[in-house]
Amino acid sequence: GAGVSQSPRYKVTKRGQDVALRCDPISGHVSLYWYRQALGQGPEFLTYFNYEAQQDKSGLPNDRFSAERPEGSISTLTIQRTEQRDSAMYRCASRPGDRGSGGELFFGEGSRLTVL
Amino acid sequence: SQQGEEDPQALSIQEGENATMNCSYKTSINNLQWYRQNSGRGLVHLILIRSNEREKHSGRLRVTLDTSKKSSSLLITASRAADTASYFCATDAGIQGAQKLVFGQGTRLTINP
Repeated sequence: GAGVSQSPRYKVTKRGQDVALRCDPISGHVSLYWYRQALGQGPEFLTYFNYEAQQDKSGLPNDRFSAERPEGSISTLTIQRTEQRDSAMYRCASRPGDRGSGGELFFGEGSRLTVL
Repeated sequence: SQQGEEDPQALSIQEGENATMNCSYKTSINNLQWYRQNSGRGLVHLILIRSNEREKHSGRLRVTLDTSKKSSSLLITASRAADTASYFCATDAGIQGAQKLVFGQGTRLTINP
């Protein structure tokens, strides 16, 4: 597609339920990133992939959070047993190259998660 | 954890004036980037400056980088109402092979007509 697409745009769930957030990066982009952003704050790094390999997951808050990118394209961020503190905007971004290419991130519009 | 810290947290100026925002960071970097975010929308890349560069221009934007002080500044000249947004600096970890971009808390800029 033309840009990074995230779904759902809005998700309301009850505490204890599992949620899956999807990111469809720009076609051909090697690197894919997940961030979490609280209102009025900067994006907080969660994890990133080069192709299908998860390179860094140091930002995942705990083991309820996981992410995958099995075919090196679409990625899913899964939160198990959601808690109210998980409520936030979850943002996905991609960029064309991997190591050494640096370069800008292209962000999606985000998925807003509300845990009741 | 956040690496970059923007200063000020909020800035309000009159249309036509220049706006300056600062970013400080903690570890060595390969490059530093600035992003804009309008009203909770997705972040949009503005400009990238590499660690071996000291100044860079793009339209009304001017970015400086001082690696000895671990700081950067973003100057927007001749501000417009449409420049109202939050501005974030982002740095890479600077460790070989590490590519995660770490964002600061941002500066909320308001341009008054």
